[in-house]
Amino acid sequence: ILNVEQSPQSLHVQEGDSTNFTCSFPSSNFYALHWYRWETAKSPEALFVMTLNGDEKKKGRISATLNTKEGYSYLYIKGSQPEDSATYLCALPNSGYSTLTFGKGTMLLVSP
Amino acid sequence: DTGVSQDPRHKITKRGQNVTFRCDPISEHNRLYWYRQTLGQGPEFLTYFQNEAQLEKSRLLSDRFSAERPKGSFSTLEIQRTEQGDSAMYLCASSLQVASDIQYFGAGTRLSVL
Repeated sequence: ILNVEQSPQSLHVQEGDSTNFTCSFPSSNFYALHWYRWETAKSPEALFVMTLNGDEKKKGRISATLNTKEGYSYLYIKGSQPEDSATYLCALPNSGYSTLTFGKGTMLLVSP
Repeated sequence: DTGVSQDPRHKITKRGQNVTFRCDPISEHNRLYWYRQTLGQGPEFLTYFQNEAQLEKSRLLSDRFSAERPKGSFSTLEIQRTEQGDSAMYLCASSLQVASDIQYFGAGTRLSVL
């Protein structure tokens, strides 16, 4: 079973602040890394799937980077908005299977 | 709506009762997954199907849990003789076939066992 760690556990920022979270994982036997956003009472929504060392992906104000050699990924949110308030989850597939092991998530609260 | 749907959204039951949840995946997805999420934790894998075959079950899935996916379409998750420790959010997801494919999640069924 993979050990996927996320930090910080929670974060409270003001509207307009930029922020970032970290996902750490074992660097051996890497297949892919998934970032999800989970808003209260909604479905977890996939943000990015990253597979290659050095990958950088962007979706609006949210971007992510991947370093498979050292075993970490960063998720950045530029100019946070209240609608960004959610739990951000990082997950990796277990071996060659696609079942995912999730971190505990980072809960972000953006105040107006 | 072509997303993953789960029913019911909420279930309150008494300890010892049986409950069944349903998941309808995205129609062209051949993989279907069940996860469970408890307070302060990320979702934890329970079991998954490729078409109608149940390919893997987590150690978390005790004998009181059973899942089916008849004809490779919708899936059901049954919990027999529920215990208070079964209280959680039960999430279903579906995907195409490779590890890098996005898993699309339903909104979950929140189970409360009194």
